[in-house]
Amino acid sequence: EVQLVESGGGLVQPGGSLRLSCAASGFTFNNKWMSWVRQAPGKGLEWVAIIKPDGSDKKYVDSVKGRFTISRDNAKNSLYLQMNSLRVEDTAVYYCARNTATDALFDFWGQGTLVTVSS
Amino acid sequence: DIQMTQSPSTLSASVGDRVTITCRASQSIRNWLAWYQQKPGKAPKLLIYKASSLESAVPSRFSGSGSGTEFTLTISSLQPDDFATYYCQHYDSYPITFGQGTRLEIK
Repeated sequence: EVQLVESGGGLVQPGGSLRLSCAASGFTFNNKWMSWVRQAPGKGLEWVAIIKPDGSDKKYVDSVKGRFTISRDNAKNSLYLQMNSLRVEDTAVYYCARNTATDALFDFWGQGTLVTVSS
Repeated sequence: DIQMTQSPSTLSASVGDRVTITCRASQSIRNWLAWYQQKPGKAPKLLIYKASSLESAVPSRFSGSGSGTEFTLTISSLQPDDFATYYCQHYDSYPITFGQGTRLEIK
């Protein structure tokens, strides 16, 4: 059974940092592109970042470039999102999502972890 | 960036109705479009990919069509489990973007 379990969310002050983790199981993690997608409270979905299976290629939405870093550890079947210089507008549920073998769509999602940026 | 616009934002319908949701892209995305269903407090679920291909285990009452800039998601006969929010998403280029969502509610 495919599972994606996020952790690391919580309350942080503006300007602070947080590192999200996603533990993957039930599939061959090291041959899948992986992404983070977020959803602000009561709002729609926003793609945040994507990483190639070997970690050699990463892409980000403009609003997080230079502040967020996506990474992975294939030996641990884990995906990460390091979030620095957090802003109030980064408040959202962050989902870890698996991309299909050939395309940048999302065929399996975790349950999400809530990040709240507030003073 | 490619903008995705869904209509309507909210749709009221009854069990058994046929409903259609439209998604328009600000430029051609060929057929690189997906549809997702999301229920409150849950993660989205992939329904349709490549504009018209049905994801495994998704009921056949769901169908997608379109290419270029205009796409539709149709539910042929609404079931109680279908009342949810639906999102379109393009994957033609980066950044990947989603429509703002269509909330399907019970009339």
